[in-house]
Amino acid sequence: SQTIHQWPATLVQPVGSPLSLECTVEGTSNPNLYWYRQAAGRGLQLLFYSVGIGQISSEVPQNLSASRPQDRQFILSSKKLLLSDSGFYLCAWSGGVGWDEAFFGQGTRLTVV
Amino acid sequence: DQQVKQNSPSLSVQEGRISILNCDYTNSMFDYFLWYKKYPAEGPTFLISISSIKDKNEDGRFTVFLNKSAKHLSLHIVPSQPGDSAVYFCAASASSTGNQFYFGTGTSLTVIP
Repeated sequence: SQTIHQWPATLVQPVGSPLSLECTVEGTSNPNLYWYRQAAGRGLQLLFYSVGIGQISSEVPQNLSASRPQDRQFILSSKKLLLSDSGFYLCAWSGGVGWDEAFFGQGTRLTVV
Repeated sequence: DQQVKQNSPSLSVQEGRISILNCDYTNSMFDYFLWYKKYPAEGPTFLISISSIKDKNEDGRFTVFLNKSAKHLSLHIVPSQPGDSAVYFCAASASSTGNQFYFGTGTSLTVIP
């Protein structure tokens, strides 16, 4: 069966520091991968999605970037965090073919102080 | 630009009664619709979905209705149980454009015992 791992679960970082959140998927090949953010009182905002290694699409301009160095690995990064980057970050995967569901990791609570 | 909207941020229902959660979308390319349930500090879990070729899909206590002409879908939970208390997100995707999943802002359901 497929599983998705996301870490760390919580993170407190000072303003201006770098960020690296990692997500890996097991039990499937060539998944679509996604990064979402849930800010306080808001819905799930799609940040990045990837249909293959090195293929990243950004949904919103921001202080963040994403990379997919391996088929089942998706990394969310920032060179310098802003206070507004605080939120709950979620990685997800889907089969990417036809009508399909997305499956989420447990999320990372990021607090920028 | 919010392509998927949930206009009711919260809903309270008595145990045993029906819960109806609503969702509207604007993008006519969406052809697959999903409902997710989310607890605090956890990733969303998939509940039920419906494709655009159907107008109803049922799974146990959960039924999703789709009205394509109105660009509206709803989730019915009957009978409602206290364990159903959570935030429910509606999501939509377009299979023709690569299955990016767009989420609404969520509805917090409280089932009162």
